Amino acid sequence: QSVLTQPPSVSAAPGQRVTISCSGSSSNIGNNYVSWYQQLPGTAPKLLIYENNKRPSGIPDRFSGSKSGTSATLGITGLQTGDEADYYCGTWDNSLSAGVFGGGTKLTVL
Amino acid sequence: EVQLVESGGGLVQPGGSLRLSCAASGFTFSSSWMSWVRQAPGKGLEWVANIKQDGSEQYYVDSVKGRFTISRDNAKNSVYLQMNSLRAEDTAVYFCAKGGGYGSAKWGQGTLVTVSS
Repeated sequence: QSVLTQPPSVSAAPGQRVTISCSGSSSNIGNNYVSWYQQLPGTAPKLLIYENNKRPSGIPDRFSGSKSGTSATLGITGLQTGDEADYYCGTWDNSLSAGVFGGGTKLTVL
Repeated sequence: EVQLVESGGGLVQPGGSLRLSCAASGFTFSSSWMSWVRQAPGKGLEWVANIKQDGSEQYYVDSVKGRFTISRDNAKNSVYLQMNSLRAEDTAVYFCAKGGGYGSAKWGQGTLVTVSS
């Protein structure tokens, strides 16, 4: 059972928009920055979003992040088949004094 | 270019020990938190531990406290994970990451640790 809760899977058609939610608490998301990762099979995670809504250099603006209270959301527009991957949210938990990740969401582009 | 190269993984029996290493280059190692994150086969990411720039602070996930120790050698630009009393549930790919681990932009390719008799 992960500290951060994500839906196991989401799906949408090419060109459409999808959102992935990440729910936590005041000890983690509520008081810390949230990051989002994309992981393709057999590869290391790739940072998509940091500090809730910032994109590292090279990440297209099709990817966006937001946070409200104890929840965060990753948005992906203009879906491409290459976006099929697992997506994870992560943050620090002040009560646990540990980093925490969501359980991951598998994105299928139909 | 930032590079992180893990080594030291392998097959170990339950109750055994293993030491993972991560060699860093391309950035000022002594100025960066460093961390370890693992991923069991077919499972999600699990943050394991991180260590402050000067090694004065370390944090661990509850499941490894008392068994794993993270350390660093800034002269060698390396971070380590000493794993003792290994269990089957510690079987995973272990990634080294620059930064706290939960918001890190740079990761190594990972090293596989298999705990089995």
